[in-house]
Amino acid sequence: GENVEQHPSTLSVQEGDSAVIKCTYSDSASNYFPWYKQELGKRPQLIIDIRSNVGEKKDQRIAVTLNKTAKHFSLHITETQPEDSAVYFCAGGGGNKLVFGAGTILRVKS
Amino acid sequence: GAGVSQSPRYKVTKRGQDVTLRCDPISSHATLYWYQQALGQGPEFLTYFNYEAQPDKSGLPSDRFSAERPEGSISTLTIQRTEQRDSAMYRCASSSGTGRSDTQYFGPGTRLTVL
Repeated sequence: GENVEQHPSTLSVQEGDSAVIKCTYSDSASNYFPWYKQELGKRPQLIIDIRSNVGEKKDQRIAVTLNKTAKHFSLHITETQPEDSAVYFCAGGGGNKLVFGAGTILRVKS
Repeated sequence: GAGVSQSPRYKVTKRGQDVTLRCDPISSHATLYWYQQALGQGPEFLTYFNYEAQPDKSGLPSDRFSAERPEGSISTLTIQRTEQRDSAMYRCASSSGTGRSDTQYFGPGTRLTVL
């Protein structure tokens, strides 16, 4: 089955800097890779996703890149703000089953 | 509905008791998922439904866990003879289609504590 690994487990950046979170997956059949943001005590919320037919997707300050050959995908947040502080989860899958990474705690220091 | 809802939000039970958790998906969403989320971890897949059908229950940890969605809308997750290791956040999610790669919208979760 699919296995998703996520790095780093914690990331501290200064406000205004960029943050990058990386994930690798094992199942070459996986074709859908969403990213979720979870604030303390709240539910996970989708922030961006990418499908295997594209290599990059951008939405304002957030971008995701996918390298199918290497089986890894990354989340890029530019011009970080304190409200970006949260736990970020990557996930990978195909069909109706998603496998989530262990999460990255992002702290944006002002 | 406005979003996925779950009840109860918190449940404390004694070891050996049965518990039933409820999920109310977004109205008309065809697919409903159940996840277990341990503290500091990502959600782990338990099972899912396409309407009433339950095509995959491979993530259920043991036969003490069961789920149903008899009318294709509200779903329940039942844990029989609870054990302390069952303590976790249980989240459901729903998506509009039955196909692949549909956005999953999560509920607020039920925090289960087994004493």
